[in-house]
Amino acid sequence: KQEVTQIPAALSVPEGENLVLNCSFTDSAIYNLQWFRQDPGKGLTSLLLIQSSQREQTSGRLNASLDKSSGRSTLYIAASQPGDSATYLCAGGGADGLTFGKGTHLIIQP
Amino acid sequence: ETGVTQTPRHLVMGMTNKKSLKCEQHLGHNAMYWYKQSAKKPLELMFVYNFKEQTENNSVPSRFSPECPNSSHLFLHLHTLQPEDSALYLCASSQEGVKSPLHFGNGTRLTVT
Repeated sequence: KQEVTQIPAALSVPEGENLVLNCSFTDSAIYNLQWFRQDPGKGLTSLLLIQSSQREQTSGRLNASLDKSSGRSTLYIAASQPGDSATYLCAGGGADGLTFGKGTHLIIQP
Repeated sequence: ETGVTQTPRHLVMGMTNKKSLKCEQHLGHNAMYWYKQSAKKPLELMFVYNFKEQTENNSVPSRFSPECPNSSHLFLHLHTLQPEDSALYLCASSQEGVKSPLHFGNGTRLTVT
């Protein structure tokens, strides 16, 4: 059964810094790895989807990487802004559906 | 208007009540999902429908009953719930199962008293 772990659980950094969020998964037989953002009291917003055959995906200031052999994915946020404050979740998509981590709660200090 | 709309946003119900959560997607997707989000726990998949057919029931208690009358609408019928069922219930849709991005609604915050 797939297990997804996200480290750290919480992170607070000053505005303007570049940062990396980590995600690890136990079963490398995934279709894809998806990153989401969740604002307080809201649903999840899809940020990036990396297919199992890909190594990375980019959208604006966000870059996500995937290393199936090591069971890891990272989300890189460049030049962080206060509006980036949210909880970031990763999820591995496989035969048994989408398995989520608990998320990283990110605070960008103005 | 978001692609996935959930109503109501908040719901308080007693343990003997019967209520329903509604989800509607305007994206033309073929798959719809119910997830449960509890504090300090990962999202838990409850039910999956593909082309209106239920393809997943993740060992969910029978006090939760899903209904998918068409590919755009999804309901979650609730009856005789327990306080531990209090959570954020999220609906999502996707074009091609988990091989495509999931689009989520804003959820229904359920409190069982």
